[in-house]
Parts: sequence; C-alpha cells; structure tokens
Amino acid sequence: NAGVTQTPKFQVLKTGQSMTLQCAQDMNHEYMSWYRQDPGMGLRLIHYSVGAGITDQGEVPNGYNVSRSTTEDFPLRLLSAAPSQTSVYFCASSYSNLAGAYEQYFGPGTRLTVT
Amino acid sequence: AQSVTQLDSQVPVFEEAPVELRCNYSSSVSVYLFWYVQYPNQGLQLLLKYLSGSTLVKGINGFEAEFNKSQTSFHLRKPSVHISDTAEYFCACMEYGNKLVFGAGTILRVKS
Repeated sequence: NAGVTQTPKFQVLKTGQSMTLQCAQDMNHEYMSWYRQDPGMGLRLIHYSVGAGITDQGEVPNGYNVSRSTTEDFPLRLLSAAPSQTSVYFCASSYSNLAGAYEQYFGPGTRLTVT
Repeated sequence: AQSVTQLDSQVPVFEEAPVELRCNYSSSVSVYLFWYVQYPNQGLQLLLKYLSGSTLVKGINGFEAEFNKSQTSFHLRKPSVHISDTAEYFCACMEYGNKLVFGAGTILRVKS
C-alpha cells in the first residue's frame, strides 16, 4: 500500500492564482480530511468528507473548495491564492468507525508559499 | 466546543532523562484522545490513542499516556528519552465524526 499520497510537495503561487492540491489513498477509507499547519497553531481542519459525494466544512474553510467523486481521491482547490494561505497542507484518511479505531493516516504534506 | 491545550511549547531534556509532555482538553461529552509525532519535514504518525478502558495507554517507541477524566488531562510520558525522540508532538481530541482538534504542539529537544 502507498498509504496517503499528496502532490505536489512544494508549490509557489502568486496572489490571485488558483491551484489544486492532490490527495489520494489506497486503503479504502471512508473518511478523508484536509488540514493546514501553521507555526504555533497546530493543525486546523479545512474540509472533510465521510464518503464519496459528501463533503463538509471544518474550522477554516474560507478560500478553499473540495469535492469527493471517488473513495480514493480528495483534491483541495485554492480559488484565488492569498499570502495568508502560505502554509503546510496535510491530507489524512481513516475508517469512520470504532472498529477502525479512528486512526488517521497522514500524507507527507504540501508546502505552499503565496507571494 | 472542544479544545486542546498543550501547556509547553518547547521541552528541552537530556538524553536518558524522563520526560512528560502535558495536554489538557475541554469537552462537554466523552472524547477520544490521541498523541501524534511529527519528525522534521514529515507527516504525522500516531503514537498512541485512548478510546475507552484502561486509563494508562501504551504506544510505540516506549511512550505512554494516562487519561485523567477528573483533570481532563492526557499527559504523555517516556521514562528515558533518546536523541531520536527529538520531534514535535501533538495532542488531539475527537468528539464525534472523526473530526480531530489539535493542540498547538510541543517541540521536544533531546540534548546529549
């Protein structure tokens, strides 16, 4: 199993540009989520999905869109990049029940800089 | 709403000394609790979790944590640290629906 993969690893954008961060998992997990990590703030939930076709907002959703057309993929779209979106982005997945012990598996991250 | 407070932003410790990383949570309902570790330039890896049952939870790499409901704490401990334990450690809380709320993190620096 490759686990959770994310592309790209690094990205530099100019203010106003758009882009999509890719996330894929091969563990047949129902639950997938996107976090951003900023120094001194831990990880904050952006959007999450409990299954194909179902998405919902997390703590910091503004400026981001998601969709979930398949179980495996959960892309994150930045609509019009702003310097405040400079961060490290992590995708995670898990089974969504007690049998799966709710353990979330994290991807390696995408480091995004917006100038 | 749930929240997680990690009481120390950095903890320096000498190799082979014991260490405790402190975590308090706030929630009005029963929660699941987790500790994750992040090595430099890597993703997060689960150290241990408390879902129910015994309040003393053992994890990987010799770490353990104790759930204390009355004090709403979930402190992480290791009796003897190694240089390779240098990393950032995150405490996290889950109320429902797989949504994790993370603390701000504690950087453990192990010195020789």
